[in-house]
Amino acid sequence: AQSVAQPEDQVNVAEGNPLTVKCTYSVSGNPYLFWYVQYPNRGLQFLLKYITGDNLVKGSYGFEAEFNKSQTSFHLKKPSALVSDSALYFCAVRDLNTDKLIFGTGTRLQVFP
Amino acid sequence: DAGVIQSPRHEVTEMGQEVTLRCKPISGHNSLFWYRQTMMRGLELLIYFNNNVPIDDSGMPEDRFSAKMPNASFSTLKIQPSEPRDSAVYFCASSVQGRESGKLFFGSGTQLSVL
Repeated sequence: AQSVAQPEDQVNVAEGNPLTVKCTYSVSGNPYLFWYVQYPNRGLQFLLKYITGDNLVKGSYGFEAEFNKSQTSFHLKKPSALVSDSALYFCAVRDLNTDKLIFGTGTRLQVFP
Repeated sequence: DAGVIQSPRHEVTEMGQEVTLRCKPISGHNSLFWYRQTMMRGLELLIYFNNNVPIDDSGMPEDRFSAKMPNASFSTLKIQPSEPRDSAVYFCASSVQGRESGKLFFGSGTQLSVL
């Protein structure tokens, strides 16, 4: 079965510093991976996806993610964090046979001024 | 486009009452998903439809939950009778099947409180 794991419940980073939010995956076949962000009292918003091609995927709001097949990871990164990036971040994998998205447990990112 | 529209935004009801949540997907999207979010369980997929047909309802907790999609522009999630453990935020999301599958557009959710 397809699954993703987010090992950190919370990540704290100072504004201006680089940030990384970790995600590992377990799939049979080629993975279709996604990152979503959830701001307070809002639904999830799509950030980026990896289907095939370059291992470094660029997305919205200056975020990028690095696909690493050998480490089965898909970490979310940003070179310089903003206080406004503080939110809940979800990694997800798409089931190969359906449109179902299976989400991780989420990581709360807190960016301090 | 107004995005995915859910109503009501908040619902407070008493145990045993019937609750109906509504969703209008984005026009042209042919997949629709109902998710539930709680602190304990995180984000759970309850059911999803493709071209108005239920494809997978394995996430529906029990017979008290039912979902319908009578046409491409409307879906409902009904809980009858409701219980306090059903308290959660319920999200509807839609997408286009195909290369963009997995790129879901979420509504703002319905915050359900069952007393």
